[in-house]
Amino acid sequence: QQQVKQSPQSLIVQKGGIPIINCAYENTAFDYFPWYQQFPGKGPALLIAIRPDVSEKKEGRFTISFNKSAKQFSLHIMDSQPGDSATYFCAASGPGGSYIPTFGRGTSLIVHP
Amino acid sequence: GAGVSQTPSNKVTEKGKYVELRCDPISGHTALYWYRQSLGQGPEFLIYFQGTGAADDSGLPNDRFFAVRPEGSVSTLKIQRTERGDSAVYLCASSLVFGDTQYFGPGTRLTVL
Repeated sequence: QQQVKQSPQSLIVQKGGIPIINCAYENTAFDYFPWYQQFPGKGPALLIAIRPDVSEKKEGRFTISFNKSAKQFSLHIMDSQPGDSATYFCAASGPGGSYIPTFGRGTSLIVHP
Repeated sequence: GAGVSQTPSNKVTEKGKYVELRCDPISGHTALYWYRQSLGQGPEFLIYFQGTGAADDSGLPNDRFFAVRPEGSVSTLKIQRTERGDSAVYLCASSLVFGDTQYFGPGTRLTVL
């Protein structure tokens, strides 16, 4: 049972574009939704996270949009750069599923110069 | 100080052999987590430690997998009678306390021939 569904599997944009990665979850007890960035040969690193009491959170060029009623959240990368090329994972955790995050399958992002 | 470190970075073994994977968490972090990441997938939870004790080992796939953290710092993931299906990247993460931000190591890539 895949509790966090992530799409698309891969994404290619030009420098300056705004890639959008979407995730949907099933467990309504989840209350913490982080995004991780992973470069080849490295472990995932926390990028930005949101809780369901807000609908949007922005940190630098990265924005999370959250729709509680639809049980969906998305990552937007503004003015994307080639250095943003990486795999991005959404995750969800919370009291219902303990605080161990359940990860999506990941999105491989390539930003062309 | 230093981040989470894992050794070895790569391990190639033959089917049926025993392997040990080591994780050195960030100094002072009380919680330590093991994940398995298969190709094209997000990290999948295996086990976590709070101090020296395994607080949740519900993600271990079967009794061939075992992990210890005898002094509440370094942890070792042990896999007996390895199978080709065990091939994956094994990630370790630590956090100051359980539920806090997890910091991942670079992983150990295990290949079972």
